[in-house]
Order: sequence, then C-alpha cells, then structure tokens
Amino acid sequence: SQTIHQWPATLVQPVGSPLSLECTVEGTSNPNLYWYRQAAGRGLQLLFYSVGIGQISSEVPQNLSASRPQDRQFILSSKKLLLSDSGFYLCAWTAVGNTIYFGEGSWLTVV
Amino acid sequence: EDQVTQSPEALRLQEGESSSLNCSYTVSGLRGLFWYRQDPGKGPEFLFTLYSAGEEKEKERLKATLTKKESFLHITAPKPEDSATYLCAVRENEKLTFGTGTRLTIIP
Repeated sequence: SQTIHQWPATLVQPVGSPLSLECTVEGTSNPNLYWYRQAAGRGLQLLFYSVGIGQISSEVPQNLSASRPQDRQFILSSKKLLLSDSGFYLCAWTAVGNTIYFGEGSWLTVV
Repeated sequence: EDQVTQSPEALRLQEGESSSLNCSYTVSGLRGLFWYRQDPGKGPEFLFTLYSAGEEKEKERLKATLTKKESFLHITAPKPEDSATYLCAVRENEKLTFGTGTRLTIIP
C-alpha cells in the first residue's frame, strides 16, 4: 500500500533562517506531488505541484521554492524565512487522475 | 478562477441530531469533487469523490451528494467522534482547490 512521510513534524525557526521540509511517498511510482499551506482559520492554499522529476509549478509568488530531486521525493525550501511563512504545511500525492492523499503535516512557527 | 464556498463556517449539533453541510462551486471543467475530514493538527483524511451530478456516496453516518453547482455532506445521527472540520475541494486539471471548511462539533 502507498504511504506518505513528511518531516519534521514541528519546527520553530527564527526570521531570516533557512527552511527545508521533506516529503517522500512509498508504494507508487511517478506520482503527482503537492505542497499546501494552511494558515490558522483559513483553507488550504496550493503552493507548488509537480508532475515529474524536475518539473515544478508554482501557484503563489513568495520566498518559498520546491524541488523534486527523485521520483518520490518533494522538498519545500526557503533561504530566508518571514514571519508570514508560519503555518501548517502539508505534502500530498496522487496517481494521475486519482484522489489526492495528504501527509500528517509540518507545523512551522517563525519567531 | 475556481471558487469553492462552504457553509456554515461552524455547526454545533446535539448527538443524534442530523444535518447537512454545503459546498457550492464554480469550475469550468470539473474532474471531481472531494470531501475530506480534518482533525486538529492532522492532515486531511479522504472521505469521498463525486464526479457527476446525481452521484451519491455513503460511509457510515455520512452521505455525500452532488449537483451541477453544489454538493452536500449529510450527517445522520452523528456521534461526538464525528466532530472535525470537513473540507470540500474541486479538481480541475492537476490541482485541488479547497473551501475553508465547516467546523462541526457534536455535543454529547
């Protein structure tokens, strides 16, 4: 069966520090991969999605970036965090045309 | 631009009191309407996918229905463990667009 792993689960980072969130999917090949952010009291906002290695589509202009170095690995990064980057970050995957499944999320607090 | 609107924002029910949550949407090429359940601090858990008007899906006390403009999540005789935020999303191409959710509280 397919599983998705996302880490770290929680982190507190100072303003201006770098960020790296990682996500891997097991049990499938060539999945579509997604990064969403959920701010307190708001809906899920799509940040990036990828349909293949090295193929990244950005939905929201900001100081975050995403990379897909391997078929089942998706990384969310920032060189310098802002206070407004705080939130709940969710990685998700789907086989083409099927349901999107989410990981357990990463809580980021920028202080 | 796709829009997904959920109502009400919050709903408090007594245990056993049935009700419905609404999701209205505008999308040019629907490739599925999805319902998720989200518990505090957790990722959304998939419940249902609906693809065409008239389609219905059921799971335990939940039933989802779909028309050309909206979907309903009916909750029959809910229990306290049904308390959660219920999210609706529509899929066009490779992306899911989410509503802001309905926070459901079932009071014992």
